[in-house]
Amino acid sequence: DVKVTQSSRYLVKRTGEKVFLECVQDMDHENMFWYRQDPGLGLRLIYFSYDVKMKEKGDIPEGYSVSREKKERFSLILESASTNQTSMYLCASKGSMNTEAFFGQGTRLTVV
Amino acid sequence: GESVGLHLPTLSVQEGDNSIINCAYSNSASDYFIWYKQESGKGPQFIIDIRSNMDKRQGQRVTVLLNKTVKHLSLQIAATQPGDSAVYFCAEPNDYKLSFGAGTTVTVRA
Repeated sequence: DVKVTQSSRYLVKRTGEKVFLECVQDMDHENMFWYRQDPGLGLRLIYFSYDVKMKEKGDIPEGYSVSREKKERFSLILESASTNQTSMYLCASKGSMNTEAFFGQGTRLTVV
Repeated sequence: GESVGLHLPTLSVQEGDNSIINCAYSNSASDYFIWYKQESGKGPQFIIDIRSNMDKRQGQRVTVLLNKTVKHLSLQIAATQPGDSAVYFCAEPNDYKLSFGAGTTVTVRA
């Protein structure tokens, strides 16, 4: 069974902290994605990566960075967490162009 | 920017009735579309897909229709059940970027 695993389901961090959200996939997929999901706004793409060490900005990259040192792992980094980054974060991976994406279960991050 | 968009943010359906969720896309060269379902507290899951060489594709209780002329696709759920309550997204994998619309929240009334 294919899997995308996010390291935490729930996370509470303080304003100003550096936060790492980890995502691992076991499907040898080239492409990985980070989204945030907020009520009424759907899934908004933060960053994506199409290969190891490659990254591209999505629609809302401000305040975030990413790391893809290994093919199976894609990390989202909040350099200095702020309360407006409280959200549900979803990781996804997919293979070649025009194939389905598989999602992790999500990480609900609260910044206090 | 957003390449796909859903028409209605919410849909309330009586249990047993059919549901129709609509989606529009902007790129006439798009050739592959996916519908996802997201239940509360979970990540989105694949329901059904369709390629542009087809007008219609059927799954178990779900049908996707594609109208390339008006760049519109729809998801039809037959005999809607309480377990169909979820947020539904259409997606258009375009190159290596995967964009989603805001989603339609379907609520099933008993």
